[in-house]
Amino acid sequence: KAGVTQTPRYLIKTRGQQVTLSCSPISGHRSVSWYQQTPGQGLQFLFEYFSETQRNKGNFPGRFSGRQFSNSRSEMNVSTLELGDSALYLCASSPTNNEQFFGPGTRLTVL
Amino acid sequence: QQPVQSPQAVILREGEDAVINCSSSKALYSVHWYRQKHGEAPVFLMILLKGGEQKGHEKISASFNEKKQQSSLYLTASQLSYSGTYFCGTAGSGNTGKLIFGQGTTLQVKP
Repeated sequence: KAGVTQTPRYLIKTRGQQVTLSCSPISGHRSVSWYQQTPGQGLQFLFEYFSETQRNKGNFPGRFSGRQFSNSRSEMNVSTLELGDSALYLCASSPTNNEQFFGPGTRLTVL
Repeated sequence: QQPVQSPQAVILREGEDAVINCSSSKALYSVHWYRQKHGEAPVFLMILLKGGEQKGHEKISASFNEKKQQSSLYLTASQLSYSGTYFCGTAGSGNTGKLIFGQGTTLQVKP
């Protein structure tokens, strides 16, 4: 089975712009979770989608949003980018209430 | 709340054993262990569920004390490939799509 894929792998944006990141889960996995990883804050949960519905949400501002499509692919969007949004964004897929498998991540740099 | 991992860092020689602990102040449904190498995505190692079920790699073992809300990861006869940062992720309910991760434990195995 193919693993979790994320696109793009690297992204450079400037403050105030918006960005959309994409995640394709492992075939058959219906849950997709998003995490932000930074050296200072570590791995932080953003949100989880299951069957096109947001099932869990972390403590991030409303500038961070996401969605899931009927084929379980998911996107996350960050609007009005800030310097502090520079991070590795990881998505993970899971069959259901089980172990999560991470994708390679998208490295976002905000200048 | 974020689980607390100890130790923060450990250096071993090949063949030595190590124990990494993860402690939470909240009731836990499951504990998930991951290893991340520099520049790579976290790799799933093991999941421990309330009630005693475990799933993971053969060469790595772990324990989960539900009453104390603690888990320990046991690395025996360490190999160079064990080097990396180990994270525990905790879920407070049967919905494991939202994991709260500890700050990580850096393990370095030397020849």
